[in-house]
Amino acid sequence: EVQLVESGGGLVQPGGSLRLSCAASGFTFSSYAMSWVRQAPGRGLEWVSSISGSGGGTYYADSVKGRFTISRDSSKNTLYLQMNSLRAEDTAVYYCAKPEKTGAIRTPGMDVWGKGTTVTVSS
Amino acid sequence: QSVLTQPPSVSGAPGQRVTISCTGSSSNIGAGYDVHWYQQLPGTAPKLLIYDNTNRPSGVPDRFSGSKSGTSASLAITGLQGEDEADYYCQSYDSSLSAMVFGGGTKLTVL
Repeated sequence: EVQLVESGGGLVQPGGSLRLSCAASGFTFSSYAMSWVRQAPGRGLEWVSSISGSGGGTYYADSVKGRFTISRDSSKNTLYLQMNSLRAEDTAVYYCAKPEKTGAIRTPGMDVWGKGTTVTVSS
Repeated sequence: QSVLTQPPSVSGAPGQRVTISCTGSSSNIGAGYDVHWYQQLPGTAPKLLIYDNTNRPSGVPDRFSGSKSGTSASLAITGLQGEDEADYYCQSYDSSLSAMVFGGGTKLTVL
């Protein structure tokens, strides 16, 4: 079964850091780009970041550029999101998602999503 | 303000047909980038309904269909059922922003 399981969310003070993880199983992890998408409470979906299958290409939304870093470890089939300088507006459920096709990074539809991990930034 | 514009809400009676529009511009849908559609039930992760404008993943009923023309796309749901009550989102790519973009979402109410 193809599965994504996020972890690492929690309550953090403004200016703090968190690292999210997404454990992948049931597919050839290194063949697929991966993405993080977030959803603030009561709001819509917002793309955060994507990474190529090799890890050599990384892409960020302007809202997180310079503060967040996406990475992956294919030996562990795990995707990461290092979040620094967190702000109240980063409060959201963070989902990792797999594209339905290999090769494409920011253009394809996402056919597998994790259940999400909640990040709350508050003092 | 989302780059892709969706109506905040639509509604329909059981058995009816509803459509949800997704309006973009020349830097996203109009540039030829594919549109994808998701269904999100309360408290759950999004589920891919339509990919590459018109294609349904296996397991998605054929009551759901997608289309694209010019700078817009649409999701049609026929034979409306109570279980279709959810939020629906469109997604594409914007070359000006170099970003994956989503519509603001549409809440479907089954009357």
